[in-house]
Amino acid sequence: GNSVTQMEGPVTLSEEAFLTINCTYTATGYPSLFWYVQYPGEGLQLLLKATKADDKGSNKGFEATYRKETTSFHLEKGSVQVSDSAVYFCALSDPLTGGGNKLTFGTGTQLKVEL
Amino acid sequence: DSGVTQTPKHLITATGQRVTLRCSPRSGDLSVYWYQQSLDQGLQFLIQYYNGEERAKGNILERFSAQQFPDLHSELNLSSLELGDSALYFCASSVGGDPWGNEQFFGPGTRLTVL
Repeated sequence: GNSVTQMEGPVTLSEEAFLTINCTYTATGYPSLFWYVQYPGEGLQLLLKATKADDKGSNKGFEATYRKETTSFHLEKGSVQVSDSAVYFCALSDPLTGGGNKLTFGTGTQLKVEL
Repeated sequence: DSGVTQTPKHLITATGQRVTLRCSPRSGDLSVYWYQQSLDQGLQFLIQYYNGEERAKGNILERFSAQQFPDLHSELNLSSLELGDSALYFCASSVGGDPWGNEQFFGPGTRLTVL
């Protein structure tokens, strides 16, 4: 079956540091890949997505590139801010499994950014 | 604000009881999804409805059931509740029911506590 593996957290960085959160996946077909962010006490918000190999998703300074050869979709940001503190989830949607549009999520990585 | 509303925000009940969680999708969205977020299982897909019909099913327990009504709102019914059912339950919605271009927008969640 499909699965998503994320690096364990929490990740603690100083403001303006470079961020990388690793994500690798296993899928039957050719999945779409997503990063969602969950701020404390809130629901999930779509941060960025990529639908095919070599696509780069980007939003609010965050980027991730769909790498089919390494089955990865690592999240990066060049300079984090305190306001980026949240839990980040990598997810996939695979059109070849079971119909519908279910998302398979990783375990989430908590990011803490300090001044 | 994603446009997806969920009620109630919090629910506290006892083992053996039955509860109903309600979700209203974004205007124009035909598909509704239910996810469970717990500390031990992470974020798990439960079920998807599209325009009133069940589209995909995940690891949803037999004690749980859902439906989508003609006005497109959805309800998730949880019965014979156990302590392990305590979790955050998210509803999401999308325009279409398939994985191509149908981003899911999440509601704020209902936190269920079973005592």
